[in-house]
Amino acid sequence: KQEVTQIPAALSVPEGENLVLNCSFTDSAIYNLQWFRQDPGKGLTSLLLIQSSQREQTSGRLNASLDKSSGRSTLYIAASQPGDSATYLCAVLSSGSARQLTFGSGTQLTVLP
Amino acid sequence: DAGVIQSPRHEVTEMGQEVTLRCKPISGHDYLFWYRQTMMRGLELLIYFNNNVPIDDSGMPEDRFSAKMPNASFSTLKIQPSEPRDSAVYFCASTKGTGFEYFGPGTRLTVL
Repeated sequence: KQEVTQIPAALSVPEGENLVLNCSFTDSAIYNLQWFRQDPGKGLTSLLLIQSSQREQTSGRLNASLDKSSGRSTLYIAASQPGDSATYLCAVLSSGSARQLTFGSGTQLTVLP
Repeated sequence: DAGVIQSPRHEVTEMGQEVTLRCKPISGHDYLFWYRQTMMRGLELLIYFNNNVPIDDSGMPEDRFSAKMPNASFSTLKIQPSEPRDSAVYFCASTKGTGFEYFGPGTRLTVL
């Protein structure tokens, strides 16, 4: 059974700092990995999707990497801003007949002005 | 596209009442998912549909919960009778194939 872990559970950084959020998964047989953002009281917003054949994806100040063999992904946020404050979740779509994302518990990020 | 649409956004009801949550997926998407999120249990998949057919309902907590997808543009999640422990935020999401999952804004359910 796929398990997804995110460390740390919470992170507080000063504005302008570059930061890395970590995600690990136990089964490397995956279709893709997705990173989401969730603001308090809101739904999940898709940020990046990395296919199993890819090593990284970039969108603006965000860069996500994938090392399938070691079961790890990182989300790099450059020049953080207070507006980046949110909970970031990674989710893995495992290979096989079930089309079901397995979510991590998230990292709550606070960027201090 | 307007994205995934859910209604109502907030629902407050009394224990024992029937609750119906509604979802309109993004046009052209062939998968629809119902999730529940609580502080204690995080995000849980309840059921998902492919081309309007329920594929996996193993996450549905008990027989009080039921979901339907009568056509490609509409789905409902019904709780009957509702209980206080059903209080949570319920999300609907849709996707095409193995692409991004797009989530709706959620329905915050409070059962008194």
